[in-house]
Amino acid sequence: DTAVSQTPKYLVTQMGNDKSIKCEQNLGHDTMYWYKQDSKKFLKIMFSYNNKELIINETVPNRFSPKSPDKAHLNLHINSLELGDSAVYFCASSRTGFTEAFFGQGTRLTVV
Amino acid sequence: AQTVTQSQPEMSVQEAETVTLSCTYDTSESDYYLFWYKQPPSRQMILVIRQEAYKQQNATENRFSVNFQKAAKSFSLKISDSQLGDAAMYFCAYRSLNTDKLIFGTGTRLQVFP
Repeated sequence: DTAVSQTPKYLVTQMGNDKSIKCEQNLGHDTMYWYKQDSKKFLKIMFSYNNKELIINETVPNRFSPKSPDKAHLNLHINSLELGDSAVYFCASSRTGFTEAFFGQGTRLTVV
Repeated sequence: AQTVTQSQPEMSVQEAETVTLSCTYDTSESDYYLFWYKQPPSRQMILVIRQEAYKQQNATENRFSVNFQKAAKSFSLKISDSQLGDAAMYFCAYRSLNTDKLIFGTGTRLQVFP
């Protein structure tokens, strides 16, 4: 059973389009995250949600909007995609006050 | 703000040998967590080992161990008896007790030669 699953794993789209990435965890965790890994492999947090409430928003452009319908799901919607949005996006989850976070397999987004 | 530095972009080791990956961090906090994550070509982020700052004893997980020097703010990862499957990007990460976010270093690519 996959603990943190993201769909799709690969996404190729044109500039200006709107796309969504979905994430689900079956670990019973109450905190979920989106991290972005750029072309140089640098990983940085974008958002975190705790019990469906936005906790961390790391100066991400407004075109990125996370949505958490329940504790087990955290989706990422991106409007008006730009070339610079090309990256790998990781979903992760943990318990509040965690000692470790569990990551999904990542979604490689390519904007052409 | 906390920062994590990995000064070795690439390292290589022969199978069965030992290699040490370096990590330093900067923080004014006294309690925190440190982690090493492995990212193989499959892209999956896998937790290798974690260390609580309040523990003086270095963490160990099978062939993986850390050298945690709190005063020096150093957290190196030692891989013993290296295996071909250890080839991956390794990321050092810091987590404050006050937030749930991980702050990552820039990563070290480890190559393992037969």
